[in-house]
Amino acid sequence: LAKITQPISMDSYEGQEVNITCSHNNIATNDYITWYQQFPSQGPRFIIQGYKTKVTNEVASLFIPADRKSSTLSLPRVSLSDTAVYYCLVGEDTGRRALTFGSGTRLQVQP
Amino acid sequence: KAGVTQTPRYLIKTRGQQVTLSCSPISGHRSVSWYQQTPGQGLQFLFEYFSETQRNKGNFPGRFSGRQFSNSRSEMNVSTLELGDSALYLCASSLPTTDTQYFGPGTRLTVL
Repeated sequence: LAKITQPISMDSYEGQEVNITCSHNNIATNDYITWYQQFPSQGPRFIIQGYKTKVTNEVASLFIPADRKSSTLSLPRVSLSDTAVYYCLVGEDTGRRALTFGSGTRLQVQP
Repeated sequence: KAGVTQTPRYLIKTRGQQVTLSCSPISGHRSVSWYQQTPGQGLQFLFEYFSETQRNKGNFPGRFSGRQFSNSRSEMNVSTLELGDSALYLCASSLPTTDTQYFGPGTRLTVL
């Protein structure tokens, strides 16, 4: 399993862009990078997944450099409702439905 | 499309009792996974069921068990409850073609 390092917490203000970087130095060739968001007392919600370069959807962008040893989740113009814990997961998409969550990054958005 | 539903949402039990939690996956999803979330240990994988068969199992004692029915609904059971079993129990479902999981709201279990 890839060892994952991400900041424990981050603070931001409404309207700013937030970038959360995840380090995964020993990522394997077949590993994908996935981000989930979790609000208090709710289950995690899938945000975005990527393998290399850049992926964008209606919620976020995911930037993955060529060496794939890190990745950055970018949330454009955050609002108070983006206050949550963000988990970076790295794993092979083999059909194993056994996700390994780390400690996550607690994002606090201030008005 | 309705999301993953879990019942009950809250449960209070005492040590030594047993408990059964229920999960209904998103229509068409045949894989159901269970997770335990505690402040100390975070989110930990319990087990996964697919087509009524347990396909993966996490590192939990045998007191934790589960099953899946032919309609993909799943139950998990915890016997001989301990104080440390107090947690948010999350169920997630997914399609066979992807490991993206859709989580339910969870069942908050408190063991007194």
